Amino acid sequence: GQNIDQPTEMTATEGAIVQINCTYQTSGFNGLFWYQQHAGEAPTFLSYNVLDGLEEKGRFSSFLSRSKGYSYLLLKELQMKDSASYLCAVREGRMDSSYKLIFGSGTRLLVRP
Amino acid sequence: DSGVTQTPKHLITATGQRVTLRCSPRSGDLSVYWYQQSLDQGLQFLIQYYNGEERAKGNILERFSAQQFPDLHSELNLSSLELGDSALYFCASSVDSTGSYGYTFGSGTRLTVV
Repeated sequence: GQNIDQPTEMTATEGAIVQINCTYQTSGFNGLFWYQQHAGEAPTFLSYNVLDGLEEKGRFSSFLSRSKGYSYLLLKELQMKDSASYLCAVREGRMDSSYKLIFGSGTRLLVRP
Repeated sequence: DSGVTQTPKHLITATGQRVTLRCSPRSGDLSVYWYQQSLDQGLQFLIQYYNGEERAKGNILERFSAQQFPDLHSELNLSSLELGDSALYFCASSVDSTGSYGYTFGSGTRLTVV
């Protein structure tokens, strides 16, 4: 089975930095994704980590530690439009060579002026 | 526009009825995934098809079924609908069966059961 935990809600100020944590327990770990989802809209891809370390992409960075079952998404220079839910998702490889992308419940981020 | 097309965008139906949701994957993608997202809940994986065949199964109810056609579009059939089935249903697609190159989501179908 799998278990993915993220904080339910976070609040931050425009221009600041925020870190959203994700911990997971899963068998057959095969990569971790972060998605952004505005209310009622499709999730959009932000980042992918399969090896330990930091992946930087503009204002967004994502970190993975496989031994600790831990990842974080770092958002810098926050903008009002960054108010959204941030979904941590783990890709799980199975014995039958299939893969599943399992999502956490998401962290709702509110950016205030 | 992500390239993944879902129809209809909205659907309102009564309990006990049956509906079909449709998904056309992004051009070149062979895998289709179905997810259910209830209000304030995470995305729950339902089922994956790859090149016409079922590839992986999640927490899909027996009242629900899906298939992928030769042209790679997929349909999710929901029958004997209950109030609790009201949710956003998302389709995603990927190039291969593993999702190694990422997953692209459609805009979803919002199903309301009354």
